[in-house]
Amino acid sequence: ETGVTQTPRHLVMGMTNKKSLKCEQHLGHNAMYWYKQSAKKPLELMFVYNFKEQTENNSVPSRFSPECPNSSHLFLHLHTLQPEDSALYLCASSQGGGSGSYEQYFGPGTRLTVT
Amino acid sequence: SQKIEQNSEALNIQEGKTATLTCNYTNYSPAYLQWYRQDPGRGPVFLLLIRENEKEKRKERLKVTFDTTLKQSLFHITASQPADSATYLCALPRDSGYSTLTFGKGTMLLVSP
Repeated sequence: ETGVTQTPRHLVMGMTNKKSLKCEQHLGHNAMYWYKQSAKKPLELMFVYNFKEQTENNSVPSRFSPECPNSSHLFLHLHTLQPEDSALYLCASSQGGGSGSYEQYFGPGTRLTVT
Repeated sequence: SQKIEQNSEALNIQEGKTATLTCNYTNYSPAYLQWYRQDPGRGPVFLLLIRENEKEKRKERLKVTFDTTLKQSLFHITASQPADSATYLCALPRDSGYSTLTFGKGTMLLVSP
């Protein structure tokens, strides 16, 4: 499989549930990202990992917990979410350790609905 | 940090015409600028990267210009096709140097047959 894959593609969860989003990149990149995209808003960068070390956390609430076991895999663990967390969650990867001078490759996203 | 302005109104054009989308930024001049395409419910797809010392860059029917004096980039699609209908995002480094990207809200392009 090539590119960046994300599972699940759709997720509906209650406010008390715990779930995880998974991302895998097959491009040999060293940087991975989580973004949130809500309607009418630009992409919001949540976390950046470089060689599996977190290099950025953009004031994301603790109910979102990322995990990067290696350079190819990235998880986003979710618990006690709020309805306003409903959005499209996108994973991306790139070369360059998180530098924006390299293009990013995005996965198809997970459409999350919190009820 | 950098602020990006892209026209929030959709751009409607007829097939065969040239579409021109605008990206304005308000703070320091970035070392590079990127353009992405996003279809509904999908992740963005990288199109072009232009550096500050490049005035223009082309890829097939796409052309990007970068004017650091005007703090503006223009994205052109020549001989547009209905399949070009999508939202186009501009992205710049969030801070000076080579920091991570910040994205504009994007402009939706609708090409009618």
